[in-house]
Amino acid sequence: QKEVEQNSGPLSVPEGAIASLNCTYSDRGSQSFFWYRQYSGKSPELIMFIYSNGDKEDGRFTAQLNKASQYVSLLIRDSQPSDSATYLCAAFTGTASKLTFGTGTRLQVTL
Amino acid sequence: GAVVSQHPSWVICKSGTSVKIECRSLDFQATTMFWYRQFPKQSLMLMATSNEGSKATYEQGVEKDKFLINHASLTLSTLTVTSAHPEDSSFYICSARGAVTQYFGPGTRLLVL
Repeated sequence: QKEVEQNSGPLSVPEGAIASLNCTYSDRGSQSFFWYRQYSGKSPELIMFIYSNGDKEDGRFTAQLNKASQYVSLLIRDSQPSDSATYLCAAFTGTASKLTFGTGTRLQVTL
Repeated sequence: GAVVSQHPSWVICKSGTSVKIECRSLDFQATTMFWYRQFPKQSLMLMATSNEGSKATYEQGVEKDKFLINHASLTLSTLTVTSAHPEDSSFYICSARGAVTQYFGPGTRLLVL
């Protein structure tokens, strides 16, 4: 079992819709979780992070964390074609002192 | 926000030569930096963790004698690909650990002919 799992996609949503990206993790010791966006040919850029159960909103993005279910999600409201990219979920575990990345979900926002 | 730079952004070299890639944290000190490699349409692969003033920790399967890492200061880590071969052609990305999370450099694309 991979430590951080994501559906590779592609996830296709129409412009203006809500995109829902999901991630599960296996290490209950994971303390904080991060969402990165990676455009093709570019390096990852941080979108947001979350470490408490519940929701965290930042503009059109909402991160959700459920530690009991070991589940993290990212919602993108009013999806735009410019949101088309690969979204990487990462978990930070203090014992390993590094981020563990999922393989990423490719999002396609269609016109 | 935290800024990480990489140099060069592109390098083309002949097989057998060595290539050095620099990673700098511009507005914060990074005791720990990470080196990743990414092949086309594949996920990030962590190669090694670089700690300032000590030896790097390499992931399983990564040859430490081929990929030399030096982290001589709190703002600079270097990756040297020694005797590069065509199969080393890839996108190399460094990342520096900041206060909140890891911040990525823009990456270096290496093409070995």
